[in-house]
Amino acid sequence: SQKIEQNSEALNIQEGKTATLTCNYTNYSPAYLQWYRQDPGRGPVFLLLIRENEKEKRKERLKVTFDTTLKQSLFHITASQPADSATYLCALSNTGKLIFGQGTTLQVKP
Amino acid sequence: NAGVMQNPRHLVRRRGQEARLRCSPMKGHSHVYWYRQLPEEGLKFMVYLQKENIIDESGMPKERFSAEFPKEGPSILRIQQVVRGDSAAYFCASSRDPSTGELFFGEGSRLTVL
Repeated sequence: SQKIEQNSEALNIQEGKTATLTCNYTNYSPAYLQWYRQDPGRGPVFLLLIRENEKEKRKERLKVTFDTTLKQSLFHITASQPADSATYLCALSNTGKLIFGQGTTLQVKP
Repeated sequence: NAGVMQNPRHLVRRRGQEARLRCSPMKGHSHVYWYRQLPEEGLKFMVYLQKENIIDESGMPKERFSAEFPKEGPSILRIQQVVRGDSAAYFCASSRDPSTGELFFGEGSRLTVL
């Protein structure tokens, strides 16, 4: 069955460092992959989308890579700030509906 | 430009009662998705609807759960005869065009079953 795995352990980093989050998937051939941010008690907010024929996408301090051979996406936040602390969700789709990973919580310490 | 509106934000029901959760998509969006999130877990897909049609209900429990998105009015997720295991946050999302990918989420409805 389709499986999306994100590191369930929280990631703790120091302010100013680069945070790198991983998303691995199996038994799936997504047309595109997305990353969302979710704060406690709030709905997810879209961050970035990368298509299967794209290797890398950037938006301000965010960078996403997509390796369809390794079946993996990496999500980077450079020059991290305490305000970046949240849970980050990876999501895949090829049929319209999005399937989400369980998310990785990032804590950026000042 | 109002986002996806969900209500109620919080709902308390006793076992055996019915829960109705409403979702108004963003203006111009005709595609609606419902997700369930249990504490410390990810979002689980439930159902995908387009005006008056259920496109994909592969994530819906076979019994007690139903969803609709009528021609006029909000999308409704209905849970009959609620049980304690139904306690969760239910999120609605909408999109204008599934091929563009991005979903816009509401703030969720938190159901507590006593």
